[in-house]
Amino acid sequence: GQNIDQPTEMTATEGAIVQINCTYQTSGFNGLFWYQQHAGEAPTFLSYNVLDGLEEKGRFSSFLSRSKGYSYLLLKELQMKDSASYLCALMDSNYQLIWGAGTKLIIKP
Amino acid sequence: ETGVTQTPRHLVMGMTNKKSLKCEQHLGHNAMYWYKQSAKKPLELMFVYNFKEQTENNSVPSRFSPECPNSSHLFLHLHTLQPEDSALYLCASKRGGDTGELFFGEGSRLTVL
Repeated sequence: GQNIDQPTEMTATEGAIVQINCTYQTSGFNGLFWYQQHAGEAPTFLSYNVLDGLEEKGRFSSFLSRSKGYSYLLLKELQMKDSASYLCALMDSNYQLIWGAGTKLIIKP
Repeated sequence: ETGVTQTPRHLVMGMTNKKSLKCEQHLGHNAMYWYKQSAKKPLELMFVYNFKEQTENNSVPSRFSPECPNSSHLFLHLHTLQPEDSALYLCASKRGGDTGELFFGEGSRLTVL
């Protein structure tokens, strides 16, 4: 079967670095997405990884290891506006998205 | 502003009411989606339309009825809902094809009394 796990909630300090992990099990893989969703707002696309390695976009980076079924989203120089839920989604062999339940990130001053 | 607009943003209805949710995308995309989002649960795919044709119905109860009159508009008609249907209903669109990211609307928060 297919399964995605990510922590329910994380807390970090403004200016620090936080890593949000996502582990998955799947028989087919066509990439992994990260989305950000502020409370009461639309989820917005952050990153897509289909090959192993690190993709950097400004303060945000996303890493993928297909052999380990593992991805993480790394947020640097945290700002209060980074408080949001972060959704991990796997694209399976049928190009269907399998979603994690999301990680609520709380940033404290 | 994601280019996907949903109305109404909030809706309260009784179990015997009939209401509709509306979604409009201004991105020229060819695929549109309805998702259900409940607290602390993964997004649940409900319906997918590609070029106005329904290509996915994820075992959704018949009290939810989708309609896609053109590639820019998507409706979700609601009737005789249950309290457990209370959730955030998200519309999304995609350029088309198998890959690419989804663009979401801000959702319609539905409460069924």
